[in-house]
Amino acid sequence: AQKITQTQPGMFVQEKEAVTLDCTYDTSDPSYGLFWYKQPSSGEMIFLIYQGSYDQQNATEGRYSLNFQKARKSANLVISASQLGDSAMYFCAMREGEGGSEKLVFGKGTKLTVNP
Amino acid sequence: EAGVAQSPRYKIIEKRQSVAFWCNPISGHATLYWYQQILGQGPKLLIQFQNNGVVDDSQLPKDRFSAERLKGVDSTLKIQPAKLEDSAVYLCASSPTPPTVSEQYFGPGTRLTVT
Repeated sequence: AQKITQTQPGMFVQEKEAVTLDCTYDTSDPSYGLFWYKQPSSGEMIFLIYQGSYDQQNATEGRYSLNFQKARKSANLVISASQLGDSAMYFCAMREGEGGSEKLVFGKGTKLTVNP
Repeated sequence: EAGVAQSPRYKIIEKRQSVAFWCNPISGHATLYWYQQILGQGPKLLIQFQNNGVVDDSQLPKDRFSAERLKGVDSTLKIQPAKLEDSAVYLCASSPTPPTVSEQYFGPGTRLTVT
C-alpha cells in the first residue's frame, strides 16, 4: 500500500491565483513529519515546507502553507499568488523512522503548470 | 555554503556495462542518501549512510548495485552490470546529524540512460 498518495498527476492555475496540491498519507506511527519538495525541470529537489505530527499550527513559509488535517491524514500544499516560476513537479514526502535512521518516502508527484 | 555536488550530470551506457556516480555532500553533513527516481515517480531511497556506516540499504539491489562512503565524506554509487530498467535520475542528498527536521539537501542528480 502506498504510504504517500498524490491523486493529481497534473494541475493548472492562472498566474496570481492560489492553488492546492493534495497529499494523503498512511502511517501508524504517532510521530512523523511531512514535507513538500519542488522539482523544477532542472532536476534538483528544493525543500519547501515541513509539518511535524505534533505541531499544533499549520506550517507556513512565505507563499507556501500546509493545510494539515491529522484526522483525515492529509497534508495539502497551498501556494498563494502563483508565479510562472512555480511551474514544476511537487512531491509530498513523509519521514519514517527515528534518530539517525530517518528516511523520506515520496509520493508520485503533481505537475503544476502556471499559465500567464 | 556549497551545495551537494554530483557528477556526472548525464551518462549514457549500454546494458551490461558498468557505471559509477559520485557525490560530495554539504560540508559537515554526516548523513548521506542515494535515491533513484524513475521517470514519472518520486525518488526512492536506495541507501543511507551515517558517516561511513550503512544505516539502511533495504531497497538497494545488491546483486548489481553497490555504494561506499570512504572516510565519511564523498560517496560513490556503482551499477554493474546495468539493465534497461536502471534508466533513471540518481539523486544524492545530505542532512546534518542528528537530523533537525530531516531536511535533506539534494544535489542536481545524474541522469542515466541505459540503451
